[in-house]
Amino acid sequence: GENVEQHPSTLSVQEGDSAVIKCTYSDSASNYFPWYKQELGKRPQLIIDIRSNVGEKKDQRIAVTLNKTAKHFSLHITETQPEDSAVYFCAASHPLSGSQGNLIFGKGTKLSVKP
Amino acid sequence: KAGVTQTPRYLIKTRGQQVTLSCSPISGHRSVSWYQQTPGQGLQFLFEYFSETQRNKGNFPGRFSGRQFSNSRSEMNVSTLELGDSALYLCASSPWTSGGTGELFFGEGSRLTVL
Repeated sequence: GENVEQHPSTLSVQEGDSAVIKCTYSDSASNYFPWYKQELGKRPQLIIDIRSNVGEKKDQRIAVTLNKTAKHFSLHITETQPEDSAVYFCAASHPLSGSQGNLIFGKGTKLSVKP
Repeated sequence: KAGVTQTPRYLIKTRGQQVTLSCSPISGHRSVSWYQQTPGQGLQFLFEYFSETQRNKGNFPGRFSGRQFSNSRSEMNVSTLELGDSALYLCASSPWTSGGTGELFFGEGSRLTVL
């Protein structure tokens, strides 16, 4: 089955710097790659996603890139702010017939942004 | 529109007992998925329900089961509890779309402690 590896597990940056989190997946049939942000004690929330027919997607300070050949995708956060501090999870979804809620998550990256 | 509601939010059980957790999805969402979140393993997929039918199941023992009712509300049950079942159990709902997997809307979770 699908396996998602995420690196690094912890990341500390200065406010204003950029942060990059990388994930690799194993199943070349996976076609949907979301990123979720989970603040301490709160629920995970989608921040950006990308489908396999697109190589890059950007939303203000957040961007995601996908390399299908290498089977990896990355989250880029520019001009980081203290409120970006959270745990970030990447995930991959295999287009199983009759299933839409099955995501395989990476183990998460704890991002700390120091003022 | 109300978000995903999970009850109870916190519970403590002893080994060998069983537990039932409840999830009310966002109105109009027909797909409900369950995830187990632990510090070491991250978010792991348990199962997904749509139209009262289990569509997909993760790699968990048979002690973990679930069901969905005609109003899309879902319950999950864990029997013969073990210490390792201590975790945050997250429910997520999504609208069923022809475009395949999309955003999951998570509840706040039910934190289970097994003593």
